[in-house]
Amino acid sequence: EDKVVQSPLSLVVHEGDTVTLNCSYEVTNFRSLLWYKQEKKAPTFLFMLTSSGIEKKSGRLSSILDKKELFSILNITATQTGDSAIYLCAVGAGVLGTSGSRLTFGEGTQLTVNP
Amino acid sequence: DAGVIQSPRHEVTEMGQEVTLRCKPISGHDYLFWYRQTMMRGLELLIYFNNNVPIDDSGMPEDRFSAKMPNASFSTLKIQPSEPRDSAVYFCASSFFDRHNEQFFGPGTRLTVL
Repeated sequence: EDKVVQSPLSLVVHEGDTVTLNCSYEVTNFRSLLWYKQEKKAPTFLFMLTSSGIEKKSGRLSSILDKKELFSILNITATQTGDSAIYLCAVGAGVLGTSGSRLTFGEGTQLTVNP
Repeated sequence: DAGVIQSPRHEVTEMGQEVTLRCKPISGHDYLFWYRQTMMRGLELLIYFNNNVPIDDSGMPEDRFSAKMPNASFSTLKIQPSEPRDSAVYFCASSFFDRHNEQFFGPGTRLTVL
């Protein structure tokens, strides 16, 4: 059974701090790893990673994948109160067109950024 | 584009009643996914469709749950009869075939079964 584990489950920081969120996985036929941000509504897409060692960056957020060690990290620098959310890691695995389109989600990391 | 549209946004019903949730995916997307999110189990995939055909329904909890996609712009998730343990937020998501793992989520339907 595919498994995605995130840590920490909860994190409280002050504005301006840098945070690192972790995601490890055990899946068969890995295709991609995705990060989503969920505030009080639907998850919104942040990054999709398919290759090891290539950093994806968007503003203060960045993410990298290590396919050998089976993990990914999401970094947020100079955090702001608007970054407060649940950050979900998901892994796509399997064969395209069959089970390959299903995502397995981790439990999420609840990030709270205090002013 | 309006994004993925779901209705209703909130549904409160009594145990034993039939519940129908609706979803309109983003125009042109080939895949449609139904998820359920609870505090206990997180976000779980229930079923997904490719070009209106159900591909994987292994996440559907039991026979009380059924989903249909009669055309490319509409899907329903039905629970009959509903039970209190079905209370959750149900999300619909859609994606393109060649970026099928980059899914766009609708706002969700919060279902409460009393």
